[in-house]
Amino acid sequence: AQSVTQLDSQVPVFEEAPVELRCNYSSSVSVYLFWYVQYPNQGLQLLLKYLSGSTLVESINGFEAEFNKSQTSFHLRKPSVHISDTAEYFCAVSELSDYKLSFGAGTTVTVRA
Amino acid sequence: DVKVTQSSRYLVKRTGEKVFLECVQDMDHENMFWYRQDPGLGLRLIYFSYDVKMKEKGDIPEGYSVSREKKERFSLILESASTNQTSMYLCASSLIQGSYEQYFGPGTRLTVT
Repeated sequence: AQSVTQLDSQVPVFEEAPVELRCNYSSSVSVYLFWYVQYPNQGLQLLLKYLSGSTLVESINGFEAEFNKSQTSFHLRKPSVHISDTAEYFCAVSELSDYKLSFGAGTTVTVRA
Repeated sequence: DVKVTQSSRYLVKRTGEKVFLECVQDMDHENMFWYRQDPGLGLRLIYFSYDVKMKEKGDIPEGYSVSREKKERFSLILESASTNQTSMYLCASSLIQGSYEQYFGPGTRLTVT
């Protein structure tokens, strides 16, 4: 069975600064990887996903994540954050043979002016 | 766009009451899921269903049951609510093939007093 570790529970950051959210997973088989975002008082929305191919994946709002198979990581980055990026971010993994997702504990990003 | 709706955003119930949480999706997805979300624990899977009348236990099924009589509707039942079931409950759906990306509802915040 797979598991996911998000290494930071809280990340405070100033507006226009870069941010990196770390995610490591463990699995003995090939996986799909996801980042979800949850804005205050809302459900989860898919931010980006890695299925296959290029190890660098991007979202429409400037986030990117890189799949590193040797380090079993899928870290999320944004070079310049906005106040509106304040949210909780969840890393998730599914094994190719199983349609269930395993989620990390989440990282709360607070962007300050 | 996929839409997943949940019957209530906020719910307050008394200990011992029977509680029904309803979830409806409009994209003909085969899979449906119920999670609970607690601070610092991320999302934990309670039950999921991959077809009408089919269900499987997730990681924390104790104290819960589910019902899926129609493909679009998945209900979570708390037979006798207890205070430790106070939580945010999230419903999700996905296709049975492909990337297994899950689409989430807005959540129901349940308080048991």
